[in-house]
Amino acid sequence: DIQMTQSPSSLSASVGDRVTITCRASQSISRYLNWYHQKPGKAPQLLIYAASSLQSGVPSRFSGSGSGTDFTLTISSLQPEDFATYYCQQSYSIPQTFGQGTKVEIK
Amino acid sequence: QVQLQESGPGLVKPSETLSLTCSVSGGSISSYYWNWIRQPPGKGLEWIGYMYNSGSIKYNPSLKSRVTISVDTSKNQFSLKLTSVTAADTAVYYCARAVTIFGEADYWGQGTLVTVSS
Repeated sequence: DIQMTQSPSSLSASVGDRVTITCRASQSISRYLNWYHQKPGKAPQLLIYAASSLQSGVPSRFSGSGSGTDFTLTISSLQPEDFATYYCQQSYSIPQTFGQGTKVEIK
Repeated sequence: QVQLQESGPGLVKPSETLSLTCSVSGGSISSYYWNWIRQPPGKGLEWIGYMYNSGSIKYNPSLKSRVTISVDTSKNQFSLKLTSVTAADTAVYYCARAVTIFGEADYWGQGTLVTVSS
């Protein structure tokens, strides 16, 4: 299985901050990398697919980059509704696997 | 607007079979990738498997001996069966639609908590 490792596991930030979350794959996954966020009691919501494509309806403050093994999700200016847990997902090989999550909390 | 809704028992006894159905509205189940994903309480996400092209199926090898995904195109539903469950199978189970082979799950059900307990 391809292991996905996110860092940090948690972070505290203020509204308006620029936030960066990284995701590293245990082997190359090309650009088969998606990002989601999840709020308590809710299903995950797709933010970025294919490493850098913004999902329709998702605010432009979210962006993704990377290929191969190293990927980044950036929130350019954190908003109150962005406090959530963020997951990366690889779909390069079966089984699809997720990172362990990054919890973004209010500072 | 595509909507997915999971249904099934919320409590299953150890060693029995967990059965869930995902009803899809607002779009045909004949296209796309239809996934089952689960999340144990307080933990991360685990991909169980998906169905595509109304019959081609891929499973997580860690569950493959116990899991079956099937489809009923006449009802626009797909289902999950997980046999010989233990407490480790207690989780919120989600069904989700992925658009392409990139696996981007753009529509999700609300999730249903299944507890394995006697």
